[in-house]
Amino acid sequence: SAVISQKPSRDICQRGTSLTIQCQVDSQVTMMFWYRQQPGQSLTLIATANQGSEATYESGFVIDKFPISRPNLTFSTLTVSNMSPEDSSIYLCSVESPRAVEAFFGQGTRLTVV
Amino acid sequence: GENVEQHPSTLSVQEGDSAVIKCTYSDSASNYFPWYKQELGKRPQLIIDIRSNVGEKKDQRIAVTLNKTAKHFSLHITETQPEDSAVYFCAATTGGYQKVTFGTGTKLQVIP
Repeated sequence: SAVISQKPSRDICQRGTSLTIQCQVDSQVTMMFWYRQQPGQSLTLIATANQGSEATYESGFVIDKFPISRPNLTFSTLTVSNMSPEDSSIYLCSVESPRAVEAFFGQGTRLTVV
Repeated sequence: GENVEQHPSTLSVQEGDSAVIKCTYSDSASNYFPWYKQELGKRPQLIIDIRSNVGEKKDQRIAVTLNKTAKHFSLHITETQPEDSAVYFCAATTGGYQKVTFGTGTKLQVIP
Protein backbone atom coordinates (compact mmCIF):
# COMPACT_ATOMS: atom_id res chain seq x y z
CA SER A 1 0.00 0.00 0.00
CA ALA A 2 1.12 3.56 -0.67
CA VAL A 3 2.31 5.73 2.19
CA ILE A 4 1.08 9.28 1.87
CA SER A 5 2.39 12.14 3.97
CA GLN A 6 0.26 15.23 4.03
CA LYS A 7 1.03 18.50 5.78
CA PRO A 8 0.11 20.55 7.58
CA SER A 9 -2.22 18.32 9.58
CA ARG A 10 -4.19 21.33 10.71
CA ASP A 11 -4.11 25.11 10.51
CA ILE A 12 -6.09 28.12 11.56
CA CYS A 13 -5.97 30.90 8.99
CA GLN A 14 -7.22 34.42 8.64
CA ARG A 15 -9.78 35.13 5.98
CA GLY A 16 -8.33 36.53 2.78
CA THR A 17 -5.08 34.60 3.13
CA SER A 18 -3.93 31.46 1.30
CA LEU A 19 -2.75 28.07 2.52
CA THR A 20 -0.73 25.52 0.59
CA ILE A 21 -1.14 21.87 1.48
CA GLN A 22 1.55 19.39 0.52
CA CYS A 23 1.17 15.73 -0.33
CA GLN A 24 4.15 13.39 -0.64
CA VAL A 25 3.87 9.75 -1.74
CA ASP A 26 6.50 7.10 -1.16
CA SER A 27 6.19 5.73 -4.70
CA GLN A 28 5.55 7.09 -8.14
CA VAL A 29 1.88 7.41 -9.02
CA THR A 30 0.20 8.49 -12.20
CA MET A 31 -2.65 10.45 -10.69
CA MET A 32 -3.18 12.27 -7.45
CA PHE A 33 -6.57 13.41 -6.28
CA TRP A 34 -7.60 16.21 -3.95
CA TYR A 35 -10.81 15.94 -1.94
CA ARG A 36 -12.67 18.23 0.39
CA GLN A 37 -14.66 16.88 3.31
CA GLN A 38 -16.85 19.44 4.99
CA PRO A 39 -17.89 18.75 8.60
CA GLY A 40 -20.12 15.71 8.79
CA GLN A 41 -20.18 15.32 5.03
CA SER A 42 -18.88 12.96 2.41
CA LEU A 43 -15.78 13.39 0.30
CA THR A 44 -16.07 15.67 -2.70
CA LEU A 45 -13.45 15.55 -5.41
CA ILE A 46 -11.87 18.92 -6.10
CA ALA A 47 -9.49 17.99 -8.89
CA THR A 48 -7.27 15.34 -10.41
CA ALA A 49 -3.59 16.16 -10.77
CA ASN A 50 -1.42 14.59 -13.46
CA GLN A 51 2.29 15.15 -13.65
CA GLY A 52 3.25 17.47 -16.49
CA SER A 53 -0.22 18.77 -17.27
CA GLU A 54 -2.82 21.06 -15.78
CA ALA A 55 -5.11 19.63 -13.15
CA THR A 56 -8.65 18.67 -14.10
CA TYR A 57 -11.23 20.38 -11.89
CA GLU A 58 -14.66 19.10 -10.96
CA SER A 59 -17.79 21.16 -11.32
CA GLY A 60 -17.90 23.90 -8.71
CA PHE A 61 -14.14 24.14 -8.27
CA VAL A 62 -11.88 26.51 -10.21
CA ILE A 63 -8.16 26.87 -10.65
CA ASP A 64 -8.04 30.44 -9.35
CA LYS A 65 -9.45 29.32 -6.01
CA PHE A 66 -7.67 25.95 -5.76
CA PRO A 67 -4.44 26.06 -7.77
CA ILE A 68 -2.66 22.71 -7.88
CA SER A 69 0.90 21.84 -8.69
CA ARG A 70 2.25 18.42 -9.67
CA PRO A 71 5.96 18.83 -10.31
CA ASN A 72 6.79 15.11 -10.26
CA LEU A 73 5.28 11.66 -9.79
CA THR A 74 5.51 11.68 -5.99
CA PHE A 75 4.44 15.16 -4.95
CA SER A 76 1.55 17.58 -5.28
CA THR A 77 0.32 20.74 -3.62
CA LEU A 78 -3.14 22.24 -3.28
CA THR A 79 -3.51 25.92 -2.44
CA VAL A 80 -6.70 27.28 -0.97
CA SER A 81 -6.68 30.93 -2.04
CA ASN A 82 -8.36 34.02 -0.63
CA MET A 83 -9.92 31.94 2.11
CA SER A 84 -13.30 32.54 3.71
CA PRO A 85 -14.94 30.72 6.64
CA GLU A 86 -16.83 28.58 4.11
CA ASP A 87 -13.49 27.01 3.16
CA SER A 88 -13.20 25.48 6.63
CA SER A 89 -12.99 21.76 5.88
CA ILE A 90 -10.74 18.76 5.87
CA TYR A 91 -8.70 18.51 2.69
CA LEU A 92 -7.38 15.10 1.70
CA CYS A 93 -5.04 13.96 -1.00
CA SER A 94 -5.44 10.52 -2.46
CA VAL A 95 -3.67 8.19 -4.82
CA GLU A 96 -4.61 4.91 -6.40
CA SER A 97 -2.96 1.65 -5.60
CA PRO A 98 -0.73 -0.11 -8.13
CA ARG A 99 -3.82 -2.09 -9.05
CA ALA A 100 -5.28 1.23 -10.20
CA VAL A 101 -8.41 0.93 -8.15
CA GLU A 102 -8.25 1.34 -4.41
CA ALA A 103 -7.79 4.87 -3.17
CA PHE A 104 -5.30 5.58 -0.41
CA PHE A 105 -5.63 8.77 1.57
CA GLY A 106 -3.29 11.12 3.31
CA GLN A 107 -4.12 11.90 6.91
CA GLY A 108 -5.89 15.09 5.89
CA THR A 109 -5.49 18.78 6.64
CA ARG A 110 -8.06 20.27 8.97
CA LEU A 111 -8.44 23.89 7.93
CA THR A 112 -10.25 26.48 10.01
CA VAL A 113 -10.73 29.95 8.58
CA VAL A 114 -11.50 32.72 11.03
CA GLY B 1 -21.16 11.24 -14.23
CA GLU B 2 -21.55 8.68 -11.50
CA ASN B 3 -23.96 9.27 -8.63
CA VAL B 4 -23.89 7.12 -5.51
CA GLU B 5 -26.70 7.18 -2.96
CA GLN B 6 -26.28 5.66 0.49
CA HIS B 7 -28.78 4.73 3.21
CA PRO B 8 -29.30 5.08 6.08
CA SER B 9 -27.43 8.21 7.09
CA THR B 10 -27.33 7.05 10.72
CA LEU B 11 -27.66 3.59 12.20
CA SER B 12 -27.69 2.49 15.82
CA VAL B 13 -27.45 -1.18 16.74
CA GLN B 14 -26.93 -3.14 19.92
CA GLU B 15 -23.60 -4.84 20.32
CA GLY B 16 -23.77 -8.29 18.77
CA ASP B 17 -26.50 -7.40 16.30
CA SER B 18 -26.00 -7.04 12.57
CA ALA B 19 -25.78 -3.80 10.60
CA VAL B 20 -26.63 -3.33 6.94
CA ILE B 21 -25.79 -0.31 4.80
CA LYS B 22 -27.13 0.00 1.27
CA CYS B 23 -25.90 1.94 -1.75
CA THR B 24 -27.10 2.46 -5.30
CA TYR B 25 -25.10 3.73 -8.25
CA SER B 26 -26.07 5.19 -11.58
CA ASP B 27 -23.24 4.46 -14.02
CA SER B 28 -23.46 0.97 -15.46
CA ALA B 29 -19.78 1.27 -16.42
CA SER B 30 -18.72 1.26 -12.76
CA ASN B 31 -17.01 -2.01 -11.99
CA TYR B 32 -15.29 -1.59 -8.65
CA PHE B 33 -17.03 -0.87 -5.37
CA PRO B 34 -14.91 -0.19 -2.27
CA TRP B 35 -16.15 0.48 1.24
CA TYR B 36 -14.30 2.83 3.54
CA LYS B 37 -14.42 3.23 7.31
CA GLN B 38 -13.61 6.61 8.77
CA GLU B 39 -13.11 6.94 12.48
CA LEU B 40 -13.43 10.34 14.05
CA GLY B 41 -10.55 12.59 13.07
CA LYS B 42 -8.91 9.96 10.89
CA ARG B 43 -8.55 9.29 7.21
CA PRO B 44 -10.88 6.90 5.35
CA GLN B 45 -9.53 3.38 5.20
CA LEU B 46 -10.56 0.56 2.91
CA ILE B 47 -12.28 -2.29 4.72
CA ILE B 48 -13.61 -4.41 1.85
CA ASP B 49 -14.20 -4.13 -1.86
CA ILE B 50 -15.97 -6.00 -4.63
CA ARG B 51 -15.61 -6.11 -8.37
CA SER B 52 -18.49 -6.32 -10.79
CA ASN B 53 -17.75 -9.91 -11.77
CA VAL B 54 -18.43 -11.07 -8.22
CA GLY B 55 -21.79 -11.17 -6.43
CA GLU B 56 -20.61 -11.50 -2.87
CA LYS B 57 -17.42 -11.24 -0.86
CA LYS B 58 -16.81 -11.94 2.79
CA ASP B 59 -14.00 -11.11 5.18
CA GLN B 60 -14.59 -12.35 8.72
CA ARG B 61 -17.52 -10.31 10.11
CA ILE B 62 -17.82 -8.10 7.05
CA ALA B 63 -19.49 -8.98 3.78
CA VAL B 64 -20.46 -7.07 0.69
CA THR B 65 -23.05 -8.03 -1.91
CA LEU B 66 -23.50 -6.61 -5.39
CA ASN B 67 -26.51 -6.70 -7.69
CA LYS B 68 -25.36 -5.38 -11.04
CA THR B 69 -28.77 -5.54 -12.63
CA ALA B 70 -30.33 -3.38 -9.96
CA LYS B 71 -27.16 -1.31 -9.53
CA HIS B 72 -27.03 -1.68 -5.81
CA PHE B 73 -24.55 -3.03 -3.32
CA SER B 74 -24.64 -3.51 0.41
CA LEU B 75 -22.31 -3.82 3.38
CA HIS B 76 -23.16 -6.32 6.09
CA ILE B 77 -21.47 -6.32 9.47
CA THR B 78 -22.31 -9.22 11.77
CA GLU B 79 -21.70 -9.52 15.50
CA THR B 80 -21.08 -5.81 15.77
CA GLN B 81 -18.64 -4.50 18.35
CA PRO B 82 -18.21 -1.01 19.83
CA GLU B 83 -15.04 -0.54 17.76
CA ASP B 84 -17.17 -0.83 14.63
CA SER B 85 -18.62 2.59 15.48
CA ALA B 86 -17.52 4.96 12.71
CA VAL B 87 -18.71 6.56 9.50
CA TYR B 88 -18.86 4.18 6.56
CA PHE B 89 -18.67 5.31 2.94
CA CYS B 90 -19.51 3.27 -0.10
CA ALA B 91 -17.95 4.22 -3.41
CA ALA B 92 -17.97 3.36 -7.07
CA THR B 93 -15.45 3.71 -9.85
CA THR B 94 -14.64 2.40 -13.27
CA GLY B 95 -11.05 1.96 -12.18
CA GLY B 96 -8.19 2.52 -14.57
CA TYR B 97 -7.16 5.74 -12.84
CA GLN B 98 -10.68 7.12 -12.96
CA LYS B 99 -12.06 9.06 -10.05
CA VAL B 100 -13.85 7.43 -7.16
CA THR B 101 -17.36 8.67 -6.39
CA PHE B 102 -18.35 8.39 -2.74
CA GLY B 103 -21.71 7.89 -1.12
CA THR B 104 -22.98 10.30 1.49
CA GLY B 105 -21.87 8.20 4.43
CA THR B 106 -23.51 6.24 7.24
CA LYS B 107 -22.73 6.97 10.85
CA LEU B 108 -22.85 3.64 12.66
CA GLN B 109 -23.15 3.56 16.42
CA VAL B 110 -22.79 0.25 18.23
CA ILE B 111 -24.30 0.44 21.68
CA PRO B 112 -22.56 -1.73 24.29
